[in-house]
Amino acid sequence: DVKVTQSSRYLVKRTGEKVFLECVQDMDHENMFWYRQDPGLGLRLIYFSYDVKMKEKGDIPEGYSVSREKKERFSLILESASTNQTSMYLCASRPTSGGQYEQFFGPGTRLTVL
Amino acid sequence: EDQVTQSPEALRLQEGESSSLNCSYTVSGLRGLFWYRQDPGKGPEFLFTLYSAGEEKEKERLKATLTKKESFLHITAPKPEDSATYLCAVHLNANDYKLSFGAGTTVTVRA
Repeated sequence: DVKVTQSSRYLVKRTGEKVFLECVQDMDHENMFWYRQDPGLGLRLIYFSYDVKMKEKGDIPEGYSVSREKKERFSLILESASTNQTSMYLCASRPTSGGQYEQFFGPGTRLTVL
Repeated sequence: EDQVTQSPEALRLQEGESSSLNCSYTVSGLRGLFWYRQDPGKGPEFLFTLYSAGEEKEKERLKATLTKKESFLHITAPKPEDSATYLCAVHLNANDYKLSFGAGTTVTVRA
């Protein structure tokens, strides 16, 4: 089974803090994704990475950056957290080959910015 | 603009009362349609992938079907443990990486 893990289930930070959210997958997937999920807005793509050190902006990249130094790990960085970044953050991964396009999600990190 | 619409927003069922959820999409090309189940406070759990019209997939009490413009998730004789939000997503031709998600249908099954 594909396993995607996220470093924290719940996180509380203060406005202006730098926040790191970590995601690790154990299936050697090339592609990894960061989403945020908010009531009424659904899942929105923040950033994705199609290979090590490669990244592309999603639909809402403002205020975020990412890092992918190793294939299994994809980090989301909030450079200066703001209250409007309070949300559920979801990491996902999927392979490139084999004609499979489904994404597999981690358990999520509920981030609260005070 | 490509869109994915799910209906209804919420569905309340009695245990054993079968029903269907709808996912309609307006896309120029479809590489795949995906169904996920999401429990409160957790990440989406992958259920099915459908690639072409006429295709069907089944898992326990769930059955997903696909036509050219919509997909249905049929829940047969549901149990309280089937209560969850069901998300539909489509993989578009225009972009190899992105999935477009619907807003979801929240299903509540009462014993």
